[in-house]
Amino acid sequence: DTPMTQSPSSLSASVGDRVTITCRASQSIRGYLNWYQQKPGKAPKLLIYAASSLQSGVPSRFSGSGSDTDFTLTISSLQPEDFATYYCQQSYSTPQTFGQGTKLEIK
Amino acid sequence: EVRLLESGGGLVQPGGSLRLSCAASGFTFSDYAMSWVRQTPGKGLEWVSDVRDTADRTYYADSVKGRFIGSRDNSKNTLYLQMNSLRAEDSALYYCAKFRGAQSEYDSWGQGTLVTVSS
Repeated sequence: DTPMTQSPSSLSASVGDRVTITCRASQSIRGYLNWYQQKPGKAPKLLIYAASSLQSGVPSRFSGSGSDTDFTLTISSLQPEDFATYYCQQSYSTPQTFGQGTKLEIK
Repeated sequence: EVRLLESGGGLVQPGGSLRLSCAASGFTFSDYAMSWVRQTPGKGLEWVSDVRDTADRTYYADSVKGRFIGSRDNSKNTLYLQMNSLRAEDSALYYCAKFRGAQSEYDSWGQGTLVTVSS
């Protein structure tokens, strides 16, 4: 298995802030890293795939970077609708594994 | 528009069985591998099972291997998860999710069906 570690576990920020969430894999996953956003009572929604590709329909304030073991999700200017929980997921090997999540809250 | 609709969850006693279904629409179901992913407040998101597009290959998390069986009926555009010998730790919200391609991301998810294992 490839454990995924996200940091921080929670984060308070204000509208307009730039926010970065980090995800680290226990071994190289090359570029097979995806990011999801989940709001309460809803299913996860794909934001970023293959480390840095923006899913269709997702605002350009979301971006992803990284390779091998270290990855980041950046939101350039937080909007009210961005307050949610974010998960990374590796799809390099089975079992696909998820990070524990980062809850982004309003300051 | 892709739609995935899970059903079949409910309350079951330890040792019991349930069969989850996921009805798919809006895409060519037989072209895509599908997964079951579950979520609990304590353990977050956990991959459970993959069923490849032709249903000839299935994969399972160690925690469910030998107890759960993933399958699909491409003629009915439906994914299944037969869950046997259920344990309290199997209690979760179960999602079905669509793979975009090999080693790729889940580009669509259902709304989930809740399974509670309790006496």
